[in-house]
Amino acid sequence: GAGVSQTPSNKVTEKGKYVELRCDPISGHTALYWYRQSLGQGPEFLIYFQGTGAADDSGLPNDRFFAVRPEGSVSTLKIQRTERGDSAVYLCASSLIAATGELFFGEGSRLTVL
Amino acid sequence: AQSVTQLDSQVPVFEEAPVELRCNYSSSVSVYLFWYVQYPNQGLQLLLKYLSGSTLVKGINGFEAEFNKSQTSFHLRKPSVHISDTAEYFCAVSDSEGGGTSYGKLTFGQGTILTVHP
Repeated sequence: GAGVSQTPSNKVTEKGKYVELRCDPISGHTALYWYRQSLGQGPEFLIYFQGTGAADDSGLPNDRFFAVRPEGSVSTLKIQRTERGDSAVYLCASSLIAATGELFFGEGSRLTVL
Repeated sequence: AQSVTQLDSQVPVFEEAPVELRCNYSSSVSVYLFWYVQYPNQGLQLLLKYLSGSTLVKGINGFEAEFNKSQTSFHLRKPSVHISDTAEYFCAVSDSEGGGTSYGKLTFGQGTILTVHP
């Protein structure tokens, strides 16, 4: 499809394991954003990319979280040594470089850490 | 730093009735304002936005919102709701002075679940 694609849609893992979440943005969108949505809360900003570089990673909670976008398209959010508190829906969004003010969101990856 | 408060976590309403979902924000800089909607099992979708100009903005599906700078509010309204409007609605702000695509660095409220009953 033409929208933002996120995989996996659901991931269950054990405490301490390593997890990767993938985001495939809309073709041609240069800006890519990661958000985290905990149960009953609004999404919280994690990081955003302008092309290949992380323009702002101030929302990453700690150094267990890392994200890459090596070719300026697909992005991967990586979580090391997962903890139960990492359980949430991880949302990816993309937008054109022009300041239109509209983000296009994927359906999210639901992470459950047991 | 910015914050967004959505004053109602749940709003039940009957079909064809009017509805208002309230949103207040706090920010030390000028902001852009947004409302996003999340239908069940779907991703967030932009409903409307205020970037500049007229303080009354119209969005998709008959929704509108008014930016009130003195009251730091951006309430969402619809004069007559449909069953299909049942969804969760999120108010969000971003820094309008950051430049580039930093407008996409949004601070969201906690969401308001709108349930439209027949």
